[in-house]
Amino acid sequence: QVQLVESGGGVVQPGRSLRLSCVASGFIFSNYAMHWVRQAPGKGLEWVAVQSYDGSKKFYADSVKGRFTVSRDNSKDTLYLQLNSLRPEDTAMYYCARALVIIAPIDLWGQGSLVTVSS
Amino acid sequence: DIQMTQSPPSLSASVGDRVTITCRASQDIKNYVSWSQHKPGKAPKVLIYDASNLHPGVPSRFSGSGSGTDFTFTITNLQPEDFATYYCQQYNSLPTFGGGTKVEIK
Repeated sequence: QVQLVESGGGVVQPGRSLRLSCVASGFIFSNYAMHWVRQAPGKGLEWVAVQSYDGSKKFYADSVKGRFTVSRDNSKDTLYLQLNSLRPEDTAMYYCARALVIIAPIDLWGQGSLVTVSS
Repeated sequence: DIQMTQSPPSLSASVGDRVTITCRASQDIKNYVSWSQHKPGKAPKVLIYDASNLHPGVPSRFSGSGSGTDFTFTITNLQPEDFATYYCQQYNSLPTFGGGTKVEIK
Protein backbone atom coordinates (compact mmCIF):
# COMPACT_ATOMS: atom_id res chain seq x y z
CA GLN A 1 0.00 0.00 0.00
CA VAL A 2 1.38 3.37 -1.03
CA GLN A 3 1.45 5.54 2.07
CA LEU A 4 3.31 7.95 4.30
CA VAL A 5 3.09 7.63 8.09
CA GLU A 6 4.29 10.43 10.36
CA SER A 7 5.23 10.08 14.01
CA GLY A 8 7.08 11.89 16.78
CA GLY A 9 4.64 14.67 17.56
CA GLY A 10 3.64 15.65 21.07
CA VAL A 11 3.52 18.45 23.61
CA VAL A 12 6.77 20.34 24.11
CA GLN A 13 7.75 23.49 25.98
CA PRO A 14 8.82 26.64 24.15
CA GLY A 15 12.52 26.60 23.33
CA ARG A 16 12.75 22.81 23.33
CA SER A 17 13.27 20.41 20.43
CA LEU A 18 11.42 17.58 18.74
CA ARG A 19 12.09 15.27 15.82
CA LEU A 20 9.37 14.12 13.46
CA SER A 21 9.66 11.03 11.29
CA CYS A 22 7.83 10.02 8.14
CA VAL A 23 8.06 6.42 6.98
CA ALA A 24 7.25 5.67 3.36
CA SER A 25 5.96 2.39 2.01
CA GLY A 26 4.66 0.98 -1.26
CA PHE A 27 6.91 3.03 -3.54
CA ILE A 28 10.60 3.72 -4.20
CA PHE A 29 11.23 6.44 -1.62
CA SER A 30 14.64 7.36 -3.03
CA ASN A 31 13.06 8.42 -6.33
CA TYR A 32 11.07 11.26 -4.82
CA ALA A 33 11.52 14.71 -3.35
CA MET A 34 9.84 15.04 0.03
CA HIS A 35 8.10 18.01 1.65
CA TRP A 36 6.93 18.99 5.10
CA VAL A 37 3.74 21.06 5.24
CA ARG A 38 2.01 22.25 8.39
CA GLN A 39 -1.44 23.45 9.40
CA ALA A 40 -1.94 25.47 12.57
CA PRO A 41 -5.27 25.01 14.37
CA GLY A 42 -8.03 26.74 12.41
CA LYS A 43 -5.59 27.96 9.77
CA GLY A 44 -4.61 27.01 6.23
CA LEU A 45 -1.67 25.06 4.90
CA GLU A 46 1.87 26.39 5.18
CA TRP A 47 4.76 24.82 3.30
CA VAL A 48 7.72 24.23 5.67
CA ALA A 49 10.60 22.47 3.91
CA VAL A 50 11.59 20.21 1.04
CA GLN A 51 14.51 17.89 0.30
CA SER A 52 15.53 16.46 -3.04
CA TYR A 53 15.42 12.73 -3.76
CA ASP A 54 19.13 12.27 -2.98
CA GLY A 55 19.28 14.71 -0.09
CA SER A 56 21.57 17.13 -1.91
CA LYS A 57 19.15 20.05 -1.99
CA LYS A 58 17.10 21.51 0.85
CA PHE A 59 14.85 24.55 1.00
CA TYR A 60 13.00 26.10 3.93
CA ALA A 61 10.23 28.58 4.60
CA ASP A 62 11.54 31.83 6.10
CA SER A 63 9.45 31.18 9.23
CA VAL A 64 11.52 28.08 10.13
CA LYS A 65 14.89 28.77 8.52
CA GLY A 66 17.72 28.29 10.99
CA ARG A 67 15.50 26.41 13.46
CA PHE A 68 14.21 23.40 11.51
CA THR A 69 16.27 20.84 9.58
CA VAL A 70 14.97 18.36 7.05
CA SER A 71 16.89 15.13 6.41
CA ARG A 72 16.29 11.69 5.00
CA ASP A 73 17.63 8.15 5.22
CA ASN A 74 16.89 6.44 1.93
CA SER A 75 18.07 3.10 3.32
CA LYS A 76 15.23 3.31 5.86
CA ASP A 77 12.64 4.95 3.57
CA THR A 78 12.34 7.66 6.19
CA LEU A 79 12.13 11.45 6.15
CA TYR A 80 12.85 13.53 9.23
CA LEU A 81 12.17 17.03 10.47
CA GLN A 82 14.25 18.28 13.39
CA LEU A 83 12.42 21.12 15.12
CA ASN A 84 14.61 23.27 17.39
CA SER A 85 13.92 26.44 19.39
CA LEU A 86 10.22 25.76 19.19
CA ARG A 87 7.74 28.60 19.57
CA PRO A 88 4.01 28.57 20.39
CA GLU A 89 3.31 29.60 16.78
CA ASP A 90 4.90 26.32 15.61
CA THR A 91 1.90 24.48 17.06
CA ALA A 92 0.40 22.64 14.10
CA MET A 93 -0.32 19.36 12.39
CA TYR A 94 2.78 18.48 10.41
CA TYR A 95 2.34 16.53 7.19
CA CYS A 96 4.95 14.89 5.04
CA ALA A 97 4.20 14.81 1.34
CA ARG A 98 5.72 13.40 -1.82
CA ALA A 99 6.56 15.01 -5.16
CA LEU A 100 8.44 13.68 -8.15
CA VAL A 101 10.95 16.53 -7.98
CA ILE A 102 11.24 19.64 -5.81
CA ILE A 103 9.18 21.83 -8.14
CA ALA A 104 6.32 19.47 -8.98
CA PRO A 105 2.82 18.78 -7.70
CA ILE A 106 2.50 17.02 -4.39
CA ASP A 107 0.86 13.70 -5.23
CA LEU A 108 0.74 11.91 -1.87
CA TRP A 109 0.20 13.10 1.70
CA GLY A 110 0.56 11.48 5.09
CA GLN A 111 -2.04 11.74 7.84
CA GLY A 112 0.00 14.15 9.90
CA SER A 113 1.60 14.38 13.34
CA LEU A 114 0.47 16.99 15.85
CA VAL A 115 3.02 19.22 17.53
CA THR A 116 1.86 21.40 20.42
CA VAL A 117 4.24 23.99 21.85
CA SER A 118 3.05 25.11 25.25
CA SER A 119 4.38 25.73 28.71
CA ASP B 1 6.64 34.24 -2.95
CA ILE B 2 3.64 33.54 -5.13
CA GLN B 3 0.37 34.26 -3.31
CA MET B 4 -2.68 32.13 -4.02
CA THR B 5 -6.01 33.81 -3.26
CA GLN B 6 -8.77 31.24 -2.96
CA SER B 7 -12.51 31.96 -2.77
CA PRO B 8 -14.92 31.53 -1.24
CA PRO B 9 -13.57 30.58 2.21
CA SER B 10 -16.66 28.47 2.75
CA LEU B 11 -19.87 27.53 1.02
CA SER B 12 -23.02 25.56 1.78
CA ALA B 13 -24.38 23.15 -0.77
CA SER B 14 -26.71 20.20 -1.12
CA VAL B 15 -26.13 16.72 -2.48
CA GLY B 16 -26.44 16.88 -6.25
CA ASP B 17 -25.35 20.53 -6.49
CA ARG B 18 -22.57 21.95 -8.66
CA VAL B 19 -19.84 23.68 -6.67
CA THR B 20 -17.18 26.03 -8.03
CA ILE B 21 -14.05 27.28 -6.23
CA THR B 22 -11.55 29.74 -7.66
CA CYS B 23 -7.88 30.49 -7.07
CA ARG B 24 -6.02 33.52 -8.32
CA ALA B 25 -2.22 33.60 -8.41
CA SER B 26 -0.21 36.76 -7.80
CA GLN B 27 1.76 36.13 -11.01
CA ASP B 28 1.63 33.94 -14.09
CA ILE B 29 2.09 30.31 -13.04
CA LYS B 30 1.18 28.72 -16.37
CA ASN B 31 -0.86 25.62 -15.47
CA TYR B 32 1.14 24.62 -12.40
CA VAL B 33 -1.80 24.23 -10.04
CA SER B 34 -3.14 21.25 -8.15
CA TRP B 35 -6.24 20.79 -6.01
CA SER B 36 -6.54 18.58 -2.94
CA GLN B 37 -9.29 17.44 -0.59
CA HIS B 38 -8.75 17.54 3.17
CA LYS B 39 -10.81 15.84 5.86
CA PRO B 40 -10.04 15.85 9.62
CA GLY B 41 -8.01 12.85 10.75
CA LYS B 42 -7.38 11.61 7.22
CA ALA B 43 -4.51 11.92 4.79
CA PRO B 44 -5.32 14.64 2.26
CA LYS B 45 -6.10 13.43 -1.26
CA VAL B 46 -4.82 14.96 -4.46
CA LEU B 47 -7.61 15.40 -7.02
CA ILE B 48 -6.28 17.56 -9.87
CA TYR B 49 -2.80 18.40 -11.15
CA ASP B 50 -1.54 20.64 -13.98
CA ALA B 51 -4.75 22.64 -13.52
CA SER B 52 -7.04 20.20 -15.32
CA ASN B 53 -5.69 16.65 -15.15
CA LEU B 54 -7.53 14.19 -12.96
CA HIS B 55 -5.30 12.28 -10.50
CA PRO B 56 -5.60 8.51 -11.05
CA GLY B 57 -8.66 7.02 -9.38
CA VAL B 58 -10.43 10.35 -8.83
CA PRO B 59 -14.08 10.42 -9.92
CA SER B 60 -14.92 12.40 -13.03
CA ARG B 61 -17.32 14.68 -11.16
CA PHE B 62 -14.19 16.61 -10.12
CA SER B 63 -12.66 18.92 -12.71
CA GLY B 64 -10.33 21.87 -13.01
CA SER B 65 -9.50 24.56 -15.52
CA GLY B 66 -7.49 27.71 -16.00
CA SER B 67 -4.03 28.96 -16.82
CA GLY B 68 -1.89 31.98 -16.12
CA THR B 69 -3.33 33.51 -12.96
CA ASP B 70 -6.95 32.33 -12.76
CA PHE B 71 -8.00 28.79 -11.93
CA THR B 72 -11.29 27.07 -11.25
CA PHE B 73 -12.16 23.82 -9.48
CA THR B 74 -15.61 22.30 -9.95
CA ILE B 75 -17.53 19.45 -8.39
CA THR B 76 -20.61 18.43 -10.31
CA ASN B 77 -23.31 16.29 -8.70
CA LEU B 78 -21.94 16.81 -5.16
CA GLN B 79 -21.86 13.58 -3.14
CA PRO B 80 -22.04 13.16 0.67
CA GLU B 81 -18.37 12.15 0.80
CA ASP B 82 -17.37 15.41 -0.92
CA PHE B 83 -18.06 17.58 2.13
CA ALA B 84 -14.52 18.60 3.05
CA THR B 85 -12.04 21.45 2.75
CA TYR B 86 -10.35 22.01 -0.62
CA TYR B 87 -7.02 23.70 -1.27
CA CYS B 88 -5.26 24.88 -4.39
CA GLN B 89 -1.46 24.67 -4.55
CA GLN B 90 0.93 26.27 -7.00
CA TYR B 91 4.20 24.62 -8.00
CA ASN B 92 5.63 27.13 -10.44
CA SER B 93 8.13 27.70 -7.61
CA LEU B 94 8.39 26.41 -4.03
CA PRO B 95 4.85 25.53 -3.08
CA THR B 96 2.25 27.88 -1.71
CA PHE B 97 -1.36 27.16 -0.97
CA GLY B 98 -4.65 28.93 -1.18
CA GLY B 99 -6.49 29.66 2.05
CA GLY B 100 -8.90 26.76 1.60
CA THR B 101 -12.61 26.41 0.94
CA LYS B 102 -14.78 24.49 3.37
CA VAL B 103 -17.71 22.82 1.62
CA GLU B 104 -20.51 22.29 4.13
CA ILE B 105 -23.90 20.65 3.99
CA LYS B 106 -26.78 23.06 3.45
